[in-house]
Amino acid sequence: QPVLTQPPSVSGAPGQRVTISCTGTSSNIGSGYDVHWYQQLPGTAPKLLIYGNKNRPSGVPDRFSGSKSGASASLAIAGLQSDDEAYYYCQSYDDSLSGSRVFGSGTKVTIL
Amino acid sequence: EVHVVESGGGVIEPGQSLRLSCSASGFNFGDYAMSWFRQAPGKGPEWVGVIRSKGYGETRKYAESMKGRVSLSRDDFTNTAYLELSRLTIGDTGVYYCSRENEMVASPWFDSWGRGTQVTVSS
Repeated sequence: QPVLTQPPSVSGAPGQRVTISCTGTSSNIGSGYDVHWYQQLPGTAPKLLIYGNKNRPSGVPDRFSGSKSGASASLAIAGLQSDDEAYYYCQSYDDSLSGSRVFGSGTKVTIL
Repeated sequence: EVHVVESGGGVIEPGQSLRLSCSASGFNFGDYAMSWFRQAPGKGPEWVGVIRSKGYGETRKYAESMKGRVSLSRDDFTNTAYLELSRLTIGDTGVYYCSRENEMVASPWFDSWGRGTQVTVSS
């Protein structure tokens, strides 16, 4: 079972802004561990979207932004586009699970 | 450009073992830890384990759910990481990925996923 909790789905019309939450516990995000976000398009590998809570790798548009507060984190997508339709996963570190890198349950973003 | 290619998957009978390879290029392989993941059909990614660099003693850590069945190794001369998984069950079916990992941070991220290699456990 995924350690980090995300809403199963969010949706928005082109041009709108959506946010995806990622809720952890005191042994992962709540302990101060950074959160990272990945985008997975159908039939492809996950792609790093945000690292270190809010940093974008080169080539990722600034429409994507991340934040973290307490034991939760959020990914915001502004100016929704059709090719943003994908699954999004958060990821962090959990110190109760023997060096475990943990993922969220995943959120499907649907463009209306 | 950072590049990884996973290989070695296929159709395997329950109870058998497999060995997957991860060939890397575009970065100094010996300076990075290498993590493995898998993704079952319709599910999210699951971390399998990590092997650290020689500088960190090639320490290995494994997901609790995989302990006792999984073994990671690496060959810094050929820039290749390996995953061996034994006593396969249908639940091991999925796509297996590898990625480099920055071992200088407390919560590492993964910026180099290959296309993965499909493992199907079936009789």
